Amino acid sequence: NAGVTQTPKFRILKIGQSMTLQCTQDMNHNYMYWYRQDPGMGLKLIYYSVGAGITDKGEVPNGYNVSRSTTEDFPLRLELAAPSQTSVYFCASSYAEPVSPLHFGNGTRLTVT
Amino acid sequence: AQTVTQSQPEMSVQEAETVTLSCTYDTSESDYYLFWYKQPPSRQMILVIRQEAYKQQNATENRFSVNFQKAAKSFSLKISDSQLGDAAMYFCAYRTFKSQGGSEKLVFGKGTKLTVNP
Repeated sequence: NAGVTQTPKFRILKIGQSMTLQCTQDMNHNYMYWYRQDPGMGLKLIYYSVGAGITDKGEVPNGYNVSRSTTEDFPLRLELAAPSQTSVYFCASSYAEPVSPLHFGNGTRLTVT
Repeated sequence: AQTVTQSQPEMSVQEAETVTLSCTYDTSESDYYLFWYKQPPSRQMILVIRQEAYKQQNATENRFSVNFQKAAKSFSLKISDSQLGDAAMYFCAYRTFKSQGGSEKLVFGKGTKLTVNP
């Protein structure tokens, strides 16, 4: 069972570079999320999607973009990377029912220098 | 906006003993869902237990149980017979219920680091 798969696991970017964090899930979940986790902090929501073609901003969307062309995939795009984007990024997915737990990927550790 | 507060940045417990992690939340809604997630050093986020706000009975999963006090907006996690493998960051989380117009997102607290001493 693959669950939620994130790639890459680690990445170092130079300031101003761009990259895409990939996320795919094989559980046919409608909802998908991107969170970032800074040291000593909880998870902060960047963007989320309730289905293919539908995305919405979370708490900290600036500097990021997302798309949801299929149910399975929810890539996160970083444009013009900045040191403030150094963090661990988690993708998650769930069924639509609010009682459904989120299933998380293993995270991507991103460093911007 | 909903907020989740975990007032204990760090906690420690002796192996085989019991520990309680605190969580409070702020909301004006009556229907919502609460979760505890565990994050071991491997970084993987693992669901520990969940509670529906409309249920008065506290949720239990083996050695893990919650004390849900809706009026006080409190959702503490009790770990009984603590094991070395319980050492991790524990995050409390709140999720809204769509029919009330809330957005479909999970709001997390800042976490409590639990150390289990042998």
